[in-house]
Amino acid sequence: KAGVTQTPRYLIKTRGQQVTLSCSPISGHRSVSWYQQTPGQGLQFLFEYFSETQRNKGNFPGRFSGRQFSNSRSEMNVSTLELGDSALYLCASVIDRVGAGELFFGEGSRLTVL
Amino acid sequence: SQQGEEDPQALSIQEGENATMNCSYKTSINNLQWYRQNSGRGLVHLILIRSNEREKHSGRLRVTLDTSKKSSSLLITASRAADTASYFCATALGSNDYKLSFGAGTTVTVRA
Repeated sequence: KAGVTQTPRYLIKTRGQQVTLSCSPISGHRSVSWYQQTPGQGLQFLFEYFSETQRNKGNFPGRFSGRQFSNSRSEMNVSTLELGDSALYLCASVIDRVGAGELFFGEGSRLTVL
Repeated sequence: SQQGEEDPQALSIQEGENATMNCSYKTSINNLQWYRQNSGRGLVHLILIRSNEREKHSGRLRVTLDTSKKSSSLLITASRAADTASYFCATALGSNDYKLSFGAGTTVTVRA
């Protein structure tokens, strides 16, 4: 069974640009969550999607957005990039059945903003 | 803001020794999970313990949960060089809550 796939793995952008990151969950997993990891703030929840609907959202500005497609694949977008957006962005999927709580993470997309 | 706080921040042990790390959290939870992260990689789920459980084992891992003290501990027995990684605790408020709150992590170095 293939794991969670994130693309691209590495990217460099400049301030003011926008970026789109992609996440393909494990087959059969309908919930996809996104997390930002930085040395200063640690791991922070961005948002969660289930059946193409945003089910939960963290405390991030509106520049951070996401969506989920009918095949459960998800994308997140960051507009008007700031230096502080440099981070490892992690996507996680979960099967979402009663009692399940384990998240399966991808390898992440490392974004550097210059 | 992070719900979990981990202690110690860093730990260096000899191969074969046990490693213990602790996690404290602030609010009532449904479950607490431990994850491992190798440098710059994704997180790997290790173990999940629910609020009505006190102890759980998985291979060389032992996790305890004390809801009265709002704390958990992760014990890795007979450590190996491959256990070198950062370990994070994460709390979930609901049974199918995937908005996890992560601690800052404990960096474990296992010396050969």
